[in-house]
Amino acid sequence: QVQLQESGPGLVKPSQTLSLTCSVSGVSISGGGYFWTWIRQLPGKGLEWIGYIYYSGSSNHNPSLESRVSISVDTSKNEFSLKLTSVTPADTAVYYCANGGSGVFHVWGRGTLITVSS
Amino acid sequence: DIQMTQSPSSLSASIGDRVTITCRASQDISNYLNWYQQKPGEAPKLLIHDVSTLEPGVPSKFSGSGFGTDFAFTISSLQPEDIATYYCQQYDDLPRTFGQGTKVEIK
Repeated sequence: QVQLQESGPGLVKPSQTLSLTCSVSGVSISGGGYFWTWIRQLPGKGLEWIGYIYYSGSSNHNPSLESRVSISVDTSKNEFSLKLTSVTPADTAVYYCANGGSGVFHVWGRGTLITVSS
Repeated sequence: DIQMTQSPSSLSASIGDRVTITCRASQDISNYLNWYQQKPGEAPKLLIHDVSTLEPGVPSKFSGSGFGTDFAFTISSLQPEDIATYYCQQYDDLPRTFGQGTKVEIK
């Protein structure tokens, strides 16, 4: 079955760039048919959709993050990534990767806590 | 953005009770509505997509209904393992948006 695993630095300093990777097993990203999504959960709060990417590289992201976010895919490694620039403490959250349709998130990773602090 | 408003924000019910959560969209989203369950310390889990279609393996005690702007999620008989926060989510438009969550507790 499809499994996802996020990996990241845990702690990022303000103004730096957050980089996360989601490793995919059980399915080949290059096989198509799925969208690969990033979602975050702010501390004690709800869920925020960050964006998605398709195996072809076509992507979309939440305008609330303006131009700070980019999502990429590496089919050779069967993984996809998130970069968020100019982070502030408000970006502290648990970051999840997920797959499914463009709007239905069938499988989720366990999540990784990212803290933005100096 | 489409705003999703859930009610109540939290509820306390007895074992065996029927529990219903409502979700209202700020505009017509047709049937593009999903429900997720999140237990403490875990990732959300998709229970229902497209208003009323259960994910494989999800017990039939969970159900969903609605269309357009008003939706409901029901647990027919609350059990201890159902203690969680439940979220609705729309995918009629970008960006995808979630409700603020409903925390379900045992009385």
